[in-house]
Amino acid sequence: DAGVTQSPTHLIKTRGQHVTLRCSPISGHKSVSWYQQVLGQGPQFIFQYYEKEERGRGNFPDRFSARQFPNYSSELNVNALLLGDSALYLCASSLGVDDRKNTEAFFGQGTRLTVV
Amino acid sequence: AQKVTQAQTEISVVEKEDVTLDCVYETRDTTYYLFWYKQPPSGELVFLIRRNSFDEQNEISGRYSWNFQKSTSSFNFTITASQVVDSAVYFCALSSEQFLRFNKFYFGSGTKLNVKP
Repeated sequence: DAGVTQSPTHLIKTRGQHVTLRCSPISGHKSVSWYQQVLGQGPQFIFQYYEKEERGRGNFPDRFSARQFPNYSSELNVNALLLGDSALYLCASSLGVDDRKNTEAFFGQGTRLTVV
Repeated sequence: AQKVTQAQTEISVVEKEDVTLDCVYETRDTTYYLFWYKQPPSGELVFLIRRNSFDEQNEISGRYSWNFQKSTSSFNFTITASQVVDSAVYFCALSSEQFLRFNKFYFGSGTKLNVKP
């Protein structure tokens, strides 16, 4: 079975540019969350989407946005990139927000974004 | 406020030594969940264990064991007879009853474990 897949694996962008990161959840999972992990730190929660709706948002500026598609895949968009946006972006999927017994989150390998 | 502190930034041990990774948490919630994740160099976070605040029983799984103590707000992780393959960054994480539904975890800063042959 395929796990959570993220693309691309690595990306280099210039300050001020825009970037789109993609995530495909495990088959059957309807919930997708995004995390930012700056080098040397733990992951920080950015967004959670369930059934194509935003259900949770972390403390990130409006330059960060996301969406979820009918097939439950998701995109994270970041506008006007800053040097500080350089990080590993992790996607996690789980079965669904309403099923508390099955809330284990499975993480992808992440997209490593470098802003120069 | 939710906060997780992993005071040990990096630990180096020789293979077969036992090692304990410390985790201290802060929360005002009465119901909460604690987790340990392993992050190998490939980047993905690998789930190791989840405990809820009502279950203070210590748990052992093979070479891994966890010591949950509410009195000291700690959830420590011990690897017995460490192996080179245990080398990774280990994260302790916290979630509340409210945020678990959103897959919203508060992670510590991680402890890098180096196991040398």
